[in-house]
Order: sequence, then C-alpha cells, then structure tokens
Amino acid sequence: NAGVTQTPKFRVLKTGQSMTLLCAQDMNHEYMYWYRQDPGMGLRLIHYSVGEGTTAKGEVPDGYNVSRLKKQNFLLGLESAAPSQTSVYFCASSEGQGARWGTDTQYFGPGTRLTVL
Amino acid sequence: AQSVTQLGSHVSVSEGALVLLRCNYSSSVPPYLFWYVQYPNQGLQLLLKYTTGATLVKGINGFEAEFKKSETSFHLTKPSAHMSDAAEYFCAVTPTGGFKTIFGAGTRLFVKA
Repeated sequence: NAGVTQTPKFRVLKTGQSMTLLCAQDMNHEYMYWYRQDPGMGLRLIHYSVGEGTTAKGEVPDGYNVSRLKKQNFLLGLESAAPSQTSVYFCASSEGQGARWGTDTQYFGPGTRLTVL
Repeated sequence: AQSVTQLGSHVSVSEGALVLLRCNYSSSVPPYLFWYVQYPNQGLQLLLKYTTGATLVKGINGFEAEFKKSETSFHLTKPSAHMSDAAEYFCAVTPTGGFKTIFGAGTRLFVKA
C-alpha cells in the first residue's frame, strides 16, 4: 500500500514550457486535491475533484488545469509555466465519506518541487 | 471568510521542555480543526483532529490539542519535546458542512539539545 505518490519529485522548467504532474493513490479515495506550498503562506488549494470525471477550482486555479479520468489518478497541468509558479506542489486524497461534512483526514504525497526559470 | 492564524513562524524549545504551538481561527460557527505535521522533504501527515465530542484531543507522538470555543483557539501541546519533533506544524480548519480545508501559514519547531 503505497498511499499517495507523485511524479516527478523535482523539475526545472523554462518560462513558457508546459508539463504535467501526476498523482496516484491506491486507497480508493473519492476526493483528490492539488495544493501549492509557498514560504509563509501555508498550503493553498489549486483544484480538487470529488470523484472520477469531476474537477473544480480551488483558491488559486489560474494557470493550471486538471483531469481525473481514472479514480486513482489526478493530473495537474501547467500549459505555459511562469516564474510565479515556482513552488512545491502537493497532492492529497481523502475518503469522501466525511469530506462533505468537513471531517475527512487528507493523505498527502511527498511533493514535487518545481522551479520555473 | 474563514481564516487560520498561527502565532509564531518559528518556535525553539530545548529537549525535554514543553511544546506549545498556537492556533486561532475566525468563524462564527466552530469549524472542524486539524493539526498536520510536515517532516523535512515529506508530505503532511495528520497529528490529530477535532470534529465533535471531547474538546481535548490526543494525537500521535504524545501531542494533544484543546478546542476552546470561547477563545476560538486550538493550541497544540506536548509535555516534553524530543529531537524527533523538529518539523513544521500546520493548523487547519474545515467549515462545518464544507470540505475545503484552510491551512495556516505553519510554525517551524526547532528542538535544541
């Protein structure tokens, strides 16, 4: 049981390049999330999904797109990377039974450190 | 809008000393409350959470937190710090009936030998 895994662990992009971050979970969780972590700002929600085939915008969605074609995978895309997107990106998942009420525990992946030059 | 304030971006304690990390939230309706810990180069993991019931919540690694509605606080404590407790700690809230968790800015705990 690997939990939540993220690929890649590190990436350096040039401004304007595109990339996709992959998140996979093997816990059969319904809900999945993408966050970015910046110094002094905690975690901010980019996009989330409440089930296979669904996605929704979070707090800071601009410049990112997501897809959830399979229940276990949640992809985060950057179409045209900008230096402001330099950050550490975390994927998380939660069961969903308690999520609608706010009581779910989120399980986090190890993160992807992205630098945009 | 909900917000979470963690007092002190850095806290330093000696090994064996009391750990106290402060968290206050703003909400007219008490939310659900969480503490997560992040060890270096790792993702966050749950320490403890308050949803309903007893206001003193015990978590892993000897940590506990008390929900005080009158003070809108959820401070994290541990009686005796260990070197392995050095990490970043995040307080988080989820509004009742919602599921978008709001994280505080984090407090980095340093433990001196």
